[in-house]
Amino acid sequence: DAGVTQSPTHLIKTRGQQVTLRCSPKSGHDTVSWYQQALGQGPQFIFQYYEEEERQRGNFPDRFSGHQFPNYSSELNVNALLLGDSALYLCASSPNQVPYGYTFGSGTRLTVV
Amino acid sequence: GQQLNQSPQSMFIQEGEDVSMNCTSSSIFNTWLWYKQDPGEGPVLLIALYKAGELTSNGRLTAQFGITRKDSFLNISASIPSDVGIYFCAGQLGDYQLIWGAGTKLIIKP
Repeated sequence: DAGVTQSPTHLIKTRGQQVTLRCSPKSGHDTVSWYQQALGQGPQFIFQYYEEEERQRGNFPDRFSGHQFPNYSSELNVNALLLGDSALYLCASSPNQVPYGYTFGSGTRLTVV
Repeated sequence: GQQLNQSPQSMFIQEGEDVSMNCTSSSIFNTWLWYKQDPGEGPVLLIALYKAGELTSNGRLTAQFGITRKDSFLNISASIPSDVGIYFCAGQLGDYQLIWGAGTKLIIKP
């Protein structure tokens, strides 16, 4: 049973560019959350998608947007990249039921130069 | 962003020693979670706590949900080399968002 799959694993972008990160949730999971983890820090919640809609958002600017597809997979888009956007981006999936058992992917390491 | 107060930041221990780490918050949480993250990997859930005062074990790991609902601790007994890694606490804020500590890095002295 495949867990959460994220692609690409590593990415280098130039300041001002746009990037798209992808996530396939664990089988049976219909909810996807995205987190940003800076070096040496805990993850910070970006947003969560359920039924193809963003249902909660953390304290991130509008440059961060997302999408969820009918097959529950998800994309994270970041526009106008800043050096400070360099981080590990984690995707977590869960079934839509309490308690939420979040399963994390291995992340995408984004470096902005 | 909002972050839990996790301590210690790092620990150097001998193999076989017991380990203790904790998290505190100014906010009340209904769920406390403890994760372990290895280099190049995503966090893996170790223990989930859902009720104030709850004490839960998973093998050599034991965690407790504080009575005030503002703190939690994790103990690891008889540490082994594979325990090396970064341990994170996380509290569930509302229904969907996890708030995380900055992590405790566990290093085993050779």
